[in-house]
Amino acid sequence: QLQLQESGPGLVKPSETLSLTCTVSRGSLSSSNYFWGWIRQPPGKGLEWIGTIYYSGSTYYNPSLKSRVTIPVDTSKNQFSLKLSSVTAADTAVYYCARGYSYGYPRWFDPWGQGTLVTVSS
Amino acid sequence: QSVLTQPPSVSGAPGQRVTISCTGSSSNIGATYDVHWYQQLPGTAPKLLIYDNNNRPSGVPDRFSGSKSGTSASLAITGLQAEDEADYYCQSYDSSLSGSVFGGGTKLTVL
Repeated sequence: QLQLQESGPGLVKPSETLSLTCTVSRGSLSSSNYFWGWIRQPPGKGLEWIGTIYYSGSTYYNPSLKSRVTIPVDTSKNQFSLKLSSVTAADTAVYYCARGYSYGYPRWFDPWGQGTLVTVSS
Repeated sequence: QSVLTQPPSVSGAPGQRVTISCTGSSSNIGATYDVHWYQQLPGTAPKLLIYDNNNRPSGVPDRFSGSKSGTSASLAITGLQAEDEADYYCQSYDSSLSGSVFGGGTKLTVL
């Protein structure tokens, strides 16, 4: 069964870049029916889609974050990453990586990683 | 402000039936994009509950069902159990944003 695991610093200073990595095990990043995404959840709040990368390398980002987000992929390590620049306290959240199913357009996310809390504070 | 609108909370007694609504617009649910539902138990990651409006992944009890009509969708839970107490989120695709959108979440309390 495919598994995803987020990793990275739990504390980031304001104005710096948040960097997280999602390691995929028991499966491959290179599959035409799937995409890979990042979703976040501020403490006590709802889910927010951050961005998506396809096996082709195409990326799509939430317009509200687009100027600060990149999602690079390293197929040799079966990993994809999240880089969010110029962070503020509003970026404090649990960050999830997930696999998405695509058929015609992006559909559901399954499975999800366990999530990692990133706090932005000096 | 979430793109998809859900009631903040619903409640029901054990054994009862509850529904959770998810209202979108002409650029997402109304544009015939499918709706998916997730269950998030306290302190855990969301888990796929319903996909493509009314399909259950393997292992999800048939007490959970989904439907969609127009610009809205609904999740129904019958035979409520204490273990169903969780947050529930709807999700779809939005053509104007070219990405996935979530509802704000609904907290289900089993009385």
